[in-house]
Amino acid sequence: GAGVSQSPRYKVAKRGQDVALRCDPISGHVSLFWYQQALGQGPEFLTYFQNEAQLDKSGLPSDRFFAERPEGSVSTLKIQRTQQEDSAVYLCASSHDGGGYEQYFGPGTRLTVT
Amino acid sequence: AQTVTQSQPEMSVQEAETVTLSCTYDTSENNYYLFWYKQPPSRQMILVIRQEAYKQQNATENRFSVNFQKAAKSFSLKISDSQLGDTAMYFCAFMRVQGGKLIFGQGTELSVKP
Repeated sequence: GAGVSQSPRYKVAKRGQDVALRCDPISGHVSLFWYQQALGQGPEFLTYFQNEAQLDKSGLPSDRFFAERPEGSVSTLKIQRTQQEDSAVYLCASSHDGGGYEQYFGPGTRLTVT
Repeated sequence: AQTVTQSQPEMSVQEAETVTLSCTYDTSENNYYLFWYKQPPSRQMILVIRQEAYKQQNATENRFSVNFQKAAKSFSLKISDSQLGDTAMYFCAFMRVQGGKLIFGQGTELSVKP
């Protein structure tokens, strides 16, 4: 079946622009996660949904970052007033269980802020 | 707070040989999960193997096995009969038993040479 998909795959934004990154999880998966992966580093947790409920947003680096999953399926990560330090790959993962014990990752969106 | 450390930024191995990747972690919790994920060049992250901390038996998945030393907080990955397709970044990760976010190490870049 189809895996986790993310769009766009690449995004170039000028500093100060707003961006929206989309994640389509595997159908029926309850949990959805967002991670930020800087070049040459391991992914870092941003936020976590169980269905439409955002259970943990402790990893969001500032109030410029906002995530939603209004119908418990597709999720959008929005970054307002982008800055150069936001340049990274943004990974989405989904899991069939509520705890996220087996997370399936998407290909990521590479965001470059110029 | 939990931390995960991978002290080998890069490793290489000859095809068909065995290689061991190291990982240590720090936690005050008694029950948790540990994972190894593989991220091939320009491809998405996939789960290699998972270990539940309450299980004494080391997990194995075909050519991949772990050496889990709970007291030492060590979780190494052994790859036997290395194949060219094993070339990738390998990330060690920790998850609390309640589920939720993965905490990743910095990664080890493994090159398998013909």
